Amino acid sequence: DIQMTQSPSTLSASVGDRVTITCRASQSISSWLAWYQQKPGRAPKLLIYKASRLESGVPLRFSGSGSETEFTLTISSLQPDDFATYYCQQYNSYSKTFGQGTKVEIK
Amino acid sequence: QVQLVQSGTELKKPGSSVKVSCKASGGIFTDYAFTWVRQAPGQGLEWMGGTIPIFGTANYAQKFQGRVVITADESTNTASMELSSLRSDDTAVYYCARGPYSSGYPPSADYFDLWGQGTLVTVSS
Repeated sequence: DIQMTQSPSTLSASVGDRVTITCRASQSISSWLAWYQQKPGRAPKLLIYKASRLESGVPLRFSGSGSETEFTLTISSLQPDDFATYYCQQYNSYSKTFGQGTKVEIK
Repeated sequence: QVQLVQSGTELKKPGSSVKVSCKASGGIFTDYAFTWVRQAPGQGLEWMGGTIPIFGTANYAQKFQGRVVITADESTNTASMELSSLRSDDTAVYYCARGPYSSGYPPSADYFDLWGQGTLVTVSS
């Protein structure tokens, strides 16, 4: 199975900060990567698919980049609603895998 | 309204089975793949497997092979996941999710753009 590794595991930031989360794949996945946001007690929400395509309705402060094995999710100006846990997910292979998650906390 | 509505909370004994259902409304059922993801308390997301109703195919994570069966019923727009031989470490919230698929060989689910509300399954004696 393809392993997905996110860094950092936890990130402390303030409102207005630019935040970057990294996701690395154990082998090339082209651009077949999605990002999700999850808040406590809620289902995950799709933010980005195909590495950089913004899901409809997702604020423009979210962006994704990368290809092959290294990907980033960037929040250009962190808002109070963005404190949550973020997961990457590869869909290059028949078996899907998620990263372990990055929790974005209030500094 | 486009949504996935899952069945309710379950309390099961070790060694038993559980079946969780996921009813889709809005959209065309056979246009999508349906996937099951679980989340143990305080842990991350774990892909279990999925099905593509139009092809009648299903695939499962190696970890759950032989213990999980995922099905879809077009007549009721419902996807289901049955997990057997339950253990305490199967205690988790189980989510169904819907999304596009790639029509390669074999056809394969992609990402997940609509999620159910989650079903808590507790396994305890």
